[in-house]
Parts: sequence; structure tokens; C-alpha cells
Amino acid sequence: DTGVSQDPRHKITKRGQNVTFRCDPISEHNRLYWYRQTLGQGPEFLTYFQNEAQLEKSRLLSDRFSAERPKGSFSTLEIQRTEQGDSAMYLCASSLAGAGFQETQYFGPGTRLLVL
Amino acid sequence: AQTVTQSQPEMSVQEAETVTLSCTYDTSESNYYLFWYKQPPSRQMILVIRQEAYKQQNATENRFSVNFQKAAKSFSLKISDSQLGDTAMYFCAFMRPWGAQKLVFGQGTRLTINP
Repeated sequence: DTGVSQDPRHKITKRGQNVTFRCDPISEHNRLYWYRQTLGQGPEFLTYFQNEAQLEKSRLLSDRFSAERPKGSFSTLEIQRTEQGDSAMYLCASSLAGAGFQETQYFGPGTRLLVL
Repeated sequence: AQTVTQSQPEMSVQEAETVTLSCTYDTSESNYYLFWYKQPPSRQMILVIRQEAYKQQNATENRFSVNFQKAAKSFSLKISDSQLGDTAMYFCAFMRPWGAQKLVFGQGTRLTINP
């Protein structure tokens, strides 16, 4: 068990460019979450998957954002036509559904995005 | 919608002292889960302690304990014998036990432990 990993750890891009982030969850975890954290704030929920199905999306997730989890393993989060307001830390977390109260979300180190 | 409020943006204590971080929340649910997560500088978020709302007994994990007051919708974290490694952002979080089970976080408290 190597934990949740995210790639890249840092991304600097120019406004209008597209970016894609990857998250690899803990191998047996069937739930995967994306959160966004702006400076000085707590993380905010963006979307979540159970296996390969995307079951809920936040209103924060505009149509420029798309997330996928093919085959229920790793996930990607793509932002098209980036804006300066997209600058934030993007966190991924995974958990094992069905574990009841013991279901804990384990977080990755995050991808810090800066849009110039 | 659920909301979580942490009213202390920053706190600072000396090593070995005891410190209490405050958290209040708002929900109409009767059963739910509450968590404290720790985010050290430039490191990933890790779970500190969790509490199930229907359990009256306060959770404890070594030097960390909570004071859960359901009627007051209050969930404070007490750190005893604080250590330099406790320096971090601390987030209180709420989760419903059904549906997406997404975490709703407070704004965080930056805790500094001074030598």
C-alpha cells in the first residue's frame, strides 16, 4: 500500500491552456474523490466516483472541468481554457465503500495549479 | 446544506502545553460523522480523529481527544502534551453516512507549537 499519489505535484500554465491531473488511489479502494483547496480555506468537494461511475458533481465543477475514472482505477481531472480563478490545490482522496464508519478518506499530496 | 465553522484562524502554544481547537457545525441530520484532519506544511492531509454522532462517548486517540456536544453542535479537539510535530493546519469536517459521503470542511485553524 503506497497511499494515494497525484501527478504532477505542481503545474504552472497560461490562461486559456488546458491542463490534466492524474490521481492513483489506494489499490483496493473503490471510491475516489476530487476536492479543490484555495489558499487559506478548507477543501471543497468537486466530484466523486464509485468504481468507474461518476455519481455526483458539485456546482463548483463548471463545464470546463471534466473528470474520468476509466476501469475504476486511476482518475484524471481536466480543466479546459484555464482561468486565473482556477489557481488552487487540487486534492484527490480515496476510500473503501461499505466499510461503514471505518470508511476513511485517504488524501494524496495534491496538485498545485497556478494560472498566469 | 451542512456548514462547518472554525472560529480560530490561528493559535500558538508552547511545547508540552494543552491546546483546544474549536469547531461548530450546522445540520438537520440526526446521524453523521465528524472528523479532525491535520495538514502539515507542504504535506498531505491525514486523519487525526473521528466521531460518530450517535455515540455519546468522546473519541480519543493517544494525545488527541474530542469534546462532542451534539445539542450545541460543537466538536472541539484537545491536544495534550503538544509536540513540535503537531504544527499544522487543522480542519474540522462533517460527513453524512449516506450518499456521496463527501467531506464538508471548515476554514481551518493554523496551529503553531513553539519550542
